[in-house]
Amino acid sequence: GEDVEQSLFLSVREGDSSVINCTYTDSSSTYLYWYKQEPGAGLQLLTYIFSNMDMKQDQRLTVLLNKKDKHLSLRIADTQTGDSAIYFCAEQRVVAGTALIFGKGTTLSVSS
Amino acid sequence: DAGVIQSPRHEVTEMGQEVTLRCKPISGHNSLFWYRQTMMRGLELLIYFNNNVPIDDSGMPEDRFSAKMPNASFSTLKIQPSEPRDSAVYFCASSTGQGQAFFGQGTRLTVV
Repeated sequence: GEDVEQSLFLSVREGDSSVINCTYTDSSSTYLYWYKQEPGAGLQLLTYIFSNMDMKQDQRLTVLLNKKDKHLSLRIADTQTGDSAIYFCAEQRVVAGTALIFGKGTTLSVSS
Repeated sequence: DAGVIQSPRHEVTEMGQEVTLRCKPISGHNSLFWYRQTMMRGLELLIYFNNNVPIDDSGMPEDRFSAKMPNASFSTLKIQPSEPRDSAVYFCASSTGQGQAFFGQGTRLTVV
């Protein structure tokens, strides 16, 4: 399809790991991104991965990229209540120039 | 740098009125993007500029929407006449053109 797809909701307990999945569309996308949006705020870049990488780790965040399946995931280890937010996956499609195309976002709810 | 600055943060207007949203990108960034966020459609790319030139405006929903970038430090998104279905949060973002986009805090537009 044309859209970047994400599941809409994820609910976890504090201390557990969260895994947010994304399917993107353009196999020639050069960079793939994860952004976080807290209520009433803009989007903050969390992490990104270059398309020739399979994995990137950054403290509690692990990004996995499966280019064959055009699947991207974000794992948050030891999830905290402060991680509750909307998480957006985005791809930089070649045909879109430098613009990022976003999924609809996954709302992560962390309960204590 | 103060980041991407958008004004106003909130705008309430009556149907039929003209609305102008403003954006100041990060100094030195040569790409500027306007996105619209709604619950139903998520984050939609409306238009983007590279070196002040509009590159892709295929996301602009109708002729009622127009965007300008008269110089490297200022852009406007205008809706004339506004309609209730234009109610959304409008984000401006800028980048160096290498991918990562930095977002403003957004303008929440309500058209009654």
